[in-house]
Amino acid sequence: DTAVSQTPKYLVTQMGNDKSIKCEQNLGHDTMYWYKQDSKKFLKIMFSYNNKELIINETVPNRFSPKSPDKAHLNLHINSLELGDSAVYFCASSQVVNGNEQFFGPGTRLTVL
Amino acid sequence: GESVGLHLPTLSVQEGDNSIINCAYSNSASDYFIWYKQESGKGPQFIIDIRSNMDKRQGQRVTVLLNKTVKHLSLQIAATQPGDSAVYFCAEKLAQGAQKLVFGQGTRLTINP
Repeated sequence: DTAVSQTPKYLVTQMGNDKSIKCEQNLGHDTMYWYKQDSKKFLKIMFSYNNKELIINETVPNRFSPKSPDKAHLNLHINSLELGDSAVYFCASSQVVNGNEQFFGPGTRLTVL
Repeated sequence: GESVGLHLPTLSVQEGDNSIINCAYSNSASDYFIWYKQESGKGPQFIIDIRSNMDKRQGQRVTVLLNKTVKHLSLQIAATQPGDSAVYFCAEKLAQGAQKLVFGQGTRLTINP
């Protein structure tokens, strides 16, 4: 199936831990994104990469570090997790940079205890 | 059924009726306006977009109307079906600069049988 996939789907961890979320797309897109959706469903962009290069870096704590080993992958590493990091994290991709039509993954629900 | 701006986050309509979801945006410099649908447990899915130089665009069972005078956007869904039950987000994209998508709060649409 052509899609955007993320692992894991659920992630429960303690405060202070370090965790990673992986994302892969097989749509052949050059641009990938990370979004955060809070408990009120508010969806906000965190990062975007085009062809492995960072093009958008919102006001995100530097505990969050995206890494793009190749165009098809954009992983998100989070250090020293805090309670406020609990949210659903979505990876997305688009054919053009900052395209209107973005293809979202199924999300990773992160719960920090 | 009709929602009023972003202050009414839920909307219920009878199956087969038409629904109207409204969105107020704030940035006159936005170049595109986009609607996304998010079903429970899934990532957002692109529905339709409209450029700022248009006032109406139609898709399959959906119509988006743009009123730049009052900075208002609406999504009309004709002959609603149970599968239309979801949270609907409007998003705007600036013409210049980072051109990221900025999502609104979202409206939960429930289709009653």
